Amino acid sequence: GNSVTQMEGPVTLSEEAFLTINCTYTATGYPSLFWYVQYPGEGLQLLLKATKADDKGSNKGFEATYRKETTSFHLEKGSVQVSDSAVYFCALSGNSGNTPLVFGKGTRLSVIA
Amino acid sequence: DADVTQTPRNRITKTGKRIMLECSQTKGHDRMYWYRQDPGLGLRLIYYSFDVKDINKGEISDGYSVSRQAQAKFSLSLESAIPNQTALYFCATSQRGTITYNEQFFGPGTRLTVL
Repeated sequence: GNSVTQMEGPVTLSEEAFLTINCTYTATGYPSLFWYVQYPGEGLQLLLKATKADDKGSNKGFEATYRKETTSFHLEKGSVQVSDSAVYFCALSGNSGNTPLVFGKGTRLSVIA
Repeated sequence: DADVTQTPRNRITKTGKRIMLECSQTKGHDRMYWYRQDPGLGLRLIYYSFDVKDINKGEISDGYSVSRQAQAKFSLSLESAIPNQTALYFCATSQRGTITYNEQFFGPGTRLTVL
């Protein structure tokens, strides 16, 4: 079945540091890939998405590229801020669109000033 | 106003009690989901519904039941609550579309504590 594996946290960075959170997936066909973010005390919200191979999703300075050859969708940001402190979830949708999203276990990021 | 609302936001109850968590949405979506979140375990799917007459079990449905009263309402019940059901519960919605991806929109969550 479909599955997502993301790096375990917590990740602690200083402000303006470079961020990478690794995500790899297992799926048949051509899934769509997502990164969701959960700020403290809130529900999840979509950060970015990519629907086909080599697509790059981007939002709020975050980027992730859909790499079919390595089955990866790593999240990156060049310069993190304290306000980026949150839990980040990688997720995939099967290519039929008729099954729920499959989520990774989440990675907690703490950014210190 | 929020598009996906959950009530209550916080609830403390005792072992053995029946509890209902409610979810309403104004997004007009046909699909609704219930997840629980536990530290270190991420999100786990409890039940989902692709339309009013469709109910499906998720990864961890034992001890839970659901009701899809209308397109906009999806309730989760714990028939006899136990302490290991203490968690953060999220409702989510999505809309079947012409593009085969499945973006979900989440409510703010209900924090449930079972003593």
